[in-house]
Amino acid sequence: DGGITQSPKYLFRKEGQNVTLSCEQNLNHDAMYWYRQDPGQGLRLIYYSQIVNDFQKGDIAEGYSVSREKKESFPLTVTSAQKNPTAFYLCASTSLWGGPSNTEAFFGQGTRLTVV
Amino acid sequence: GEDVEQSLFLSVREGDSSVINCTYTDSSSTYLYWYKQEPGAGLQLLTYIFSNMDMKQDQRLTVLLNKKDKHLSLRIADTQTGDSAIYFCAESVTGGGNKLTFGTGTQLKVEL
Repeated sequence: DGGITQSPKYLFRKEGQNVTLSCEQNLNHDAMYWYRQDPGQGLRLIYYSQIVNDFQKGDIAEGYSVSREKKESFPLTVTSAQKNPTAFYLCASTSLWGGPSNTEAFFGQGTRLTVV
Repeated sequence: GEDVEQSLFLSVREGDSSVINCTYTDSSSTYLYWYKQEPGAGLQLLTYIFSNMDMKQDQRLTVLLNKKDKHLSLRIADTQTGDSAIYFCAESVTGGGNKLTFGTGTQLKVEL
């Protein structure tokens, strides 16, 4: 079955460490996205990529980095520069072409990152 | 610019109708969506409406769009305890490459 997979489900980070969150999709989608979710603030876009080897900053990119070396994969690194990284992180993917059924965003199950 | 707002909480009794509201600011929205998020999980698409439509009905769900006021609503008829979740509205805009802007989410609590 096609889908989008995030790992790990829970992640603990010590202050000053970088950590990488994995996101893989087998939907043949061109576009992939990373969102951060905090209570009462909805989803805020961190980075997105519409094509391999290209990505753009979202609304809250500071302290994060991404890569898009393969169409299927869009890992997110939370660096030590991110001052408040504890949050729920969601990865999504969409097709870029076609009607509304192709604009549906498919989401992973999320990674909960906690700084200890 | 893009800004999507929702009220944070809604509480209803089982069997009643729920109405979740959303306002957006970008008049070039192409599609507007409603997503549902259950605890500790990702989001799942419930329904969508094209920006030139006023209403869409899908079983227990009714979406109303007032483009003049930039107001979107989701009505859930005969609300059940399984409908308890966070509901997000989202918009995609022309030329935005399918990038979605999400609202703040409305936590729906269904009481017996």
